[in-house]
Amino acid sequence: NAGVTQTPKFRILKIGQSMTLQCTQDMNHNYMYWYRQDPGMGLKLIYYSVGAGITDKGEVPNGYNVSRSTTEDFPLRLELAAPSQTSVYFCASRSRQGRGEKLFFGSGTQLSVL
Amino acid sequence: GQQLNQSPQSMFIQEGEDVSMNCTSSSIFNTWLWYKQDPGEGPVLLIALYKAGELTSNGRLTAQFGITRKDSFLNISASIPSDVGIYFCAGQLIGDDMRFGAGTRLTVKP
Repeated sequence: NAGVTQTPKFRILKIGQSMTLQCTQDMNHNYMYWYRQDPGMGLKLIYYSVGAGITDKGEVPNGYNVSRSTTEDFPLRLELAAPSQTSVYFCASRSRQGRGEKLFFGSGTQLSVL
Repeated sequence: GQQLNQSPQSMFIQEGEDVSMNCTSSSIFNTWLWYKQDPGEGPVLLIALYKAGELTSNGRLTAQFGITRKDSFLNISASIPSDVGIYFCAGQLIGDDMRFGAGTRLTVKP
C-alpha cells in the first residue's frame, strides 16, 4: 500500500490564482482530513470528510473548498490564492474502526503565495 | 476551542541525554497522542493514551496521561541522532476534532 499520497510536493502561486491540492489514499479509509501547518503552530483542521459525498468544515475553512466523490480521493481547492494561505498542507486519513486516533498523514504540500 | 500549550518550543541536546516535553490544556481530553514529524514528512503516531494516569512506553519513549486529563508528557531516554524532528502532542474529546500543540523541535548533537 502507498498509504496517503499528496501532490504536488511544492507549488508557488501568484495572488488570485487557483489550484487544487490532490490527495488519495489506498487504505479504504472512511475519514479524510486536510490540515495546514504554519511555522511554530500546530496543525489546524481545514475540512474533513467522514465518507464519500460528505464533507464538513474544520477550524479554518475560509478560502478553501473540498469534494469527496470517491472513498479514495479528497482534493482541496484554493479559488483565489492569498498570501495568508502560504503554508504546508497535510492530508490525512483514518479507519472508522477502533478508537480511530491513528491518523495516516501524507508527506505534505508546501505552498507559497506571492 | 481547546488550546494546547506545548513546551519547550525547541531543545538542543547531546546524544545520550534524556529528553522531557509536556503539553497542557485548558480543557480535558479523553485521548492524548504524541506524534513525530521528520523533516519533509507528515507526522507519525508514536504513542496513544486513553485513560487518566496511564503510562505507556514504546521503546525508549514513555508518555503519561495526566490525572487531571488536562496534561500529558513525553520522555525520550538515551537520545540518538535519528530522534531529531518535531514532536507534537494532540488531544481529542469524543465527537470533537483532534487538537494539536505547536510542537517541540528536537536537535540531537552527536
